[in-house]
Order: sequence, then structure tokens, then C-alpha cells
Amino acid sequence: DTGVSQNPRHKITKRGQNVTFRCDPISEHNRLYWYRQTLGQGPEFLTYFQNEAQLEKSRLLSDRFSAERPKGSFSTLEIQRTEQGDSAMYLCASSLTGTGGDEQFFGPGTRLTVL
Amino acid sequence: AQTVTQSQPEMSVQEAETVTLSCTYDTSESDYYLFWYKQPPSRQMILVIRQEAYKQQNATENRFSVNFQKAAKSFSLKISDSQLGDAAMYFCAYTVGSQGNLIFGKGTKLSVKP
Repeated sequence: DTGVSQNPRHKITKRGQNVTFRCDPISEHNRLYWYRQTLGQGPEFLTYFQNEAQLEKSRLLSDRFSAERPKGSFSTLEIQRTEQGDSAMYLCASSLTGTGGDEQFFGPGTRLTVL
Repeated sequence: AQTVTQSQPEMSVQEAETVTLSCTYDTSESDYYLFWYKQPPSRQMILVIRQEAYKQQNATENRFSVNFQKAAKSFSLKISDSQLGDAAMYFCAYTVGSQGNLIFGKGTKLSVKP
């Protein structure tokens, strides 16, 4: 297994367009997380799944954002009607749930630029 | 609000020397876990070290160790014998109980001088 992968690595779009990102976690990991990182900041939590169930969503995740994890494998994050403020690095991570404080393995991220 | 504060935006260390990165956090929970993650330039984030809040003993991983002061809510990272490959952004983070989400600080950019 080569770790967490994300596609595309870079996405440039015009304001108002919809975009979709994909994350493939480490195969045996049951948890999958999405974070957003803007320049000069640490990652901010968006949402996470345990298997196919979306267990928590941040207040940062507006109605324009939706995430899915069908069949508990890969996940997609869609942003509708993109705004310039959505420009950021979108990070995906996965973990194998244990007793708590599980190590999260991060992907390389998708950098979104909204013009 | 749950927060993590890293008061040093940038730090610099000479190769082979020791450097300490500071972190304070704020949570009212008793069951939590603390982490230091490293993000090299244009590369993905990796875990450096992890500490369970219920353990008094400070975690160590080779050249990396922490100074965990629970009462002060302080969790600093010490890097000994610094190497050029240690140059990166370092993020302090924590998660509560079995919850999944990590709460990150803004990071400290570490430069290593040859």
C-alpha cells in the first residue's frame, strides 16, 4: 500500500463552478478525515467518516460543501458554487480506529485556486 | 473554545544542536491525546510523536522528545542532534477521547543551518 492518495493534486476553477476532490485512504483504515489548510495556518477539521457513516461535521462546512464515502472506501468532497474564500489546500487523512488518539496518515492534499 | 497556541512562528537551529518548540493548548476534557506533526515543504504531513494525557511519562521517539506539563497545558517538542532533514513546519495538535478530529496550532517553521 502506498499510503493516502488524493486527486487531483491541483485544481484551478472560476468562481461559481463546482469542484470535486477524491481521496483514497489506506485500504484497511476505517476512518477518513477531511481538513482544510490556508496559507500560514494549521489544518482545520471539516468532517470525518467511520466506514460509510459521516460522524461529525464542522461548522466550517457550509451547505455548499458535501462529502461522501460510499461503501466505506474512497471519499469525495464536493464544493458547489465555489467562492474565492474556498481557495486552500484540502487534506485527507485516514486512520484505523483503536482506543483513541489514533495516528492519522495524511495525503498530499489538493490545492484549490478559485479565480 | 478549544485552541492550540504555538507562540513561535519561526525557529532556527544549527545542525547537530538542540531546539525546543513550544505549544500550549486549552481543553476542559480529561481524556485527550497530544501530537506533533511535521510537514516538510511540498510533502505530506507525518506524525513525529504522540502523548496520551493520562500518562505522566514524557514520550520519546529517537531524537524527538516532549515535555508534557499537564497542569500548565503545555506540550513542547525537543529535537536533539538536529539534521538538515528536520527542516519543516511543525504542528502541535490534540484530539479528545475517541473523537476523530485533530485541533491544530498555526505551526512553527523550523530552519536548520548547516
